[in-house]
Amino acid sequence: EAGVTQFPSHSVIEKGQTVTLRCDPISGHDNLYWYRRVMGKEIKFLLHFVKESKQDESGMPNNRFLAERTGGTYSTLKVQPAELEDSGVYFCASSQGVARGETQYFGPGTRLLVL
Amino acid sequence: AQSVTQLDSQVPVFEEAPVELRCNYSSSVSVYLFWYVQYPNQGLQLLLKYLSGSTLVKGINGFEAEFNKSQTSFHLRKPSVHISDTAEYFCAVSRLGAAGNKLTFGGGTRVLVKP
Repeated sequence: EAGVTQFPSHSVIEKGQTVTLRCDPISGHDNLYWYRRVMGKEIKFLLHFVKESKQDESGMPNNRFLAERTGGTYSTLKVQPAELEDSGVYFCASSQGVARGETQYFGPGTRLLVL
Repeated sequence: AQSVTQLDSQVPVFEEAPVELRCNYSSSVSVYLFWYVQYPNQGLQLLLKYLSGSTLVKGINGFEAEFNKSQTSFHLRKPSVHISDTAEYFCAVSRLGAAGNKLTFGGGTRVLVKP
């Protein structure tokens, strides 16, 4: 069974440009999460999809970030325009349900560097 | 809101020696507790989790953790480490019964196993 995959693995862009990150969850997982780790700090929650609906987007930092999950399969996270402080590692995770303490399976992350 | 503190950012340890990684949390409600590991160039992998019941939890790769409610701690231990245990370890919590299961992470502990 394939795990959570993320693309690209690395991205280097200039301030003001747009970047789109993609996450493919484990097949059959309705729940998809985005997290971010900025400059060696703690990993922080961004948002949670249940199928194609946003269940919780309380961690999204501002309106330069737009997440979508059309059809309830893969998800994209767009940053437009990117700022220096957006640099970090963006993780995606998925889980089958939201039973108590259900395990989230993480992808390898996308390392974003904004110059 | 919850918070997680990992008291050691780096832990050097010799091969075959024991290791303990400390994790304390703060929460006004009951939580589920997790330890994840990130090996170089990989995603986060669940080591173990505490949901309820026995406070001593055994995980993969010989790791175990003990939940201490009075001290709000969930320390991770391994009696004898291998070179392959070199990785970054993350303690995390999610709220008991909350929809969505979003994780709150500590800052991570880098373990370097020396021969």
